[in-house]
Amino acid sequence: KAGVTQTPRYLIKTRGQQVTLSCSPISGHRSVSWYQQTPGQGLQFLFEYFSETQRNKGNFPGRFSGRQFSNSRSEMNVSTLELGDSALYLCASSFIRGPNTGELFFGEGSRLTVL
Amino acid sequence: SQQGEEDPQALSIQEGENATMNCSYKTSINNLQWYRQNSGRGLVHLILIRSNEREKHSGRLRVTLDTSKKSSSLLITASRAADTASYFCASLAGGTSYGKLTFGQGTILTVHP
Repeated sequence: KAGVTQTPRYLIKTRGQQVTLSCSPISGHRSVSWYQQTPGQGLQFLFEYFSETQRNKGNFPGRFSGRQFSNSRSEMNVSTLELGDSALYLCASSFIRGPNTGELFFGEGSRLTVL
Repeated sequence: SQQGEEDPQALSIQEGENATMNCSYKTSINNLQWYRQNSGRGLVHLILIRSNEREKHSGRLRVTLDTSKKSSSLLITASRAADTASYFCASLAGGTSYGKLTFGQGTILTVHP
């Protein structure tokens, strides 16, 4: 079974631009979560989607948004990029439907550099 | 900070030795999980312990949970050079926490051959 796939793996943007990151979960997993990892703040939860609905959201500004498609693939978008948005963005999927998240399966991440 | 805390921040040992990492969290939990991350890569799930469990084993891994102290520890026995990685604890709060794990800052483990 293929793992969680994230694209692109690396990207460089300049301040003010926007970026879209993509995530394909493990087949059969309908829950997709996104995390941001930085050296200063560590791993922080962005949002979670299930069946195209956002069920949970972390403490990030509205510039960070996401969506999920009917095939469970998910995208996240960051608009008006700031230097501080440079990070490794990790997507994770889970087969658990309910609120009590179990094991998360992570992708390799998309490393965003904002210049 | 909403993050849990882990100690030590870094641990350097020889192959064959045991490695112990500790984690503290702030709120009541549904479960606590441990993940491993090789440099700049994705996280790999190691073990999950539920709030009503006190100890769990998986291969060379042993996890304990003390909910009264809001703390957990991960023991890796007979370490190998391939265990070199960052290790994170992640707590899931009770209630409607869909997908939201709160991660500790991590312990960087280096195992010397």
